[in-house]
Amino acid sequence: EDQVTQSPEALRLQEGESSSLNCSYTVSGLRGLFWYRQDPGKGPEFLFTLYSAGEEKEKERLKATLTKKESFLHITAPKPEDSATYLCAVIRDNYGQNFVFGPGTRLSVLP
Amino acid sequence: EAGVAQSPRYKIIEKRQSVAFWCNPISGHATLYWYQQILGQGPKLLIQFQNNGVVDDSQLPKDRFSAERLKGVDSTLKIQPAKLEDSAVYLCASSPGGMINTGELFFGEGSRLTVL
Repeated sequence: EDQVTQSPEALRLQEGESSSLNCSYTVSGLRGLFWYRQDPGKGPEFLFTLYSAGEEKEKERLKATLTKKESFLHITAPKPEDSATYLCAVIRDNYGQNFVFGPGTRLSVLP
Repeated sequence: EAGVAQSPRYKIIEKRQSVAFWCNPISGHATLYWYQQILGQGPKLLIQFQNNGVVDDSQLPKDRFSAERLKGVDSTLKIQPAKLEDSAVYLCASSPGGMINTGELFFGEGSRLTVL
C-alpha cells in the first residue's frame, strides 16, 4: 500500500531561522511528488512538482528536493507569513492520477 | 479566473441525518476530485471524476456516501445517513486532466461538516 509520512508533525521557528521539512514515501512506480501549502480554513495551494531523484525547485524562501525515498522542503530565513501546514503528496500512475497525501507538517514562524 | 466554488461552507447535523455538498470546478477542468480531510490529517481521496465518468471511487463508503457529476461540470456529494466519524472538511478540487499532469490541483475552500 502506498504510504506518505511527514516529519516533524509540528515545527516552531523564530523568524529568520532556517529549517527543513521531510516527506518520506513508499510507492511503487512513483510518477511525481508534490508539495502544497494549506492555511487554516482554506484548501491546499500548490507549490511544487518533482518528478525524478535529484530534481530541485525553488520559489521565494522555499526549495524542494527529491531523492529516491524522500523529499525535503527547505525554508530559508522564514517569515511569519510562511506559517501554514505543508502537505506532500505522491502520484503513482498517470492514468488514475490518484494523489496520496501525507498528514502534513504544521509550521509556525514567530516574529 | 474564478476558482473552485463549494457550498455550504459549514454544516451541522445530527447523526443519521443527511447532507449534500455542492462543487463547481474551474471552467474547462475535466477532472474533479472529492477529498475528506479529518482534523490533523491530510486529505483522503473519496472519488475522482473524469468529465462525468468515475475514475476512482475505491475509498468511497458506498453504503452511505454517493456522488455525481452531471454533464461533466458541477458535482454533488451526499452523505446519508451521517455518522459521528464523518465530521470533517470535504474538499473539492479540479484539474485540467489528461495523461500529463503537472500535479497542480485547484482546491475549493471546503465544506466543514460537524455531526452531533
